[in-house]
Amino acid sequence: GESVGLHLPTLSVQEGDNSIINCAYSNSASDYFIWYKQESGKGPQFIIDIRSNMDKRQGQRVTVLLNKTVKHLSLQIAATQPGDSAVYFCAETPDTGRRALTFGSGTRLQVQP
Amino acid sequence: EPEVTQTPSHQVTQMGQEVILRCVPISNHLYFYWYRQILGQKVEFLVSFYNNEISEKSEIFDDQFSVERPDGSNFTLKIRSTKLEDSAMYFCAGSVEAGELFFGEGSRLTVL
Repeated sequence: GESVGLHLPTLSVQEGDNSIINCAYSNSASDYFIWYKQESGKGPQFIIDIRSNMDKRQGQRVTVLLNKTVKHLSLQIAATQPGDSAVYFCAETPDTGRRALTFGSGTRLQVQP
Repeated sequence: EPEVTQTPSHQVTQMGQEVILRCVPISNHLYFYWYRQILGQKVEFLVSFYNNEISEKSEIFDDQFSVERPDGSNFTLKIRSTKLEDSAMYFCAGSVEAGELFFGEGSRLTVL
């Protein structure tokens, strides 16, 4: 069945370093991908999205890369800050008109000062 | 900045009791959703709601669950007879025609 999974449950980085969080998905029909950040006790917060007709999209300090050939998604955070410490989820849906997102299991990012 | 508001923030209930979780979505949103997150686990889709009807639901959303938006403002999730395994954070979300989902802060449900 469909699954969206993450390679590492916890990622620890030094403040100022770049962070890379990875995600694998299995549904080849996945069309729309989103990265969410979830801080403790809060709801998921949208970071960046990408559609399957793109392989890269950049935001402020964040870049999402999509490799459809190997069904892999990554989130790169430049110059990681203590405020970036959170759990990061990738999510996908096979249809941008369908909002039943399938979430991955999450990676905890810990930023060391 | 507009936000999705959920109440209560935490509810403790006895097994078998009915629970209603409430959400006030952002005013220009057209699609509404409920997701849940069991402690330490990933966020799971429950149901989506558009044009006053359910547009999609997951296997989790069985006959014990229902949603409604009676007054065009509040979007509610009702659990008719709670079970221990219903204990989770329940997130309401909304979106416009296309684009990102905006999530609320969640309602924590504890079933004893």
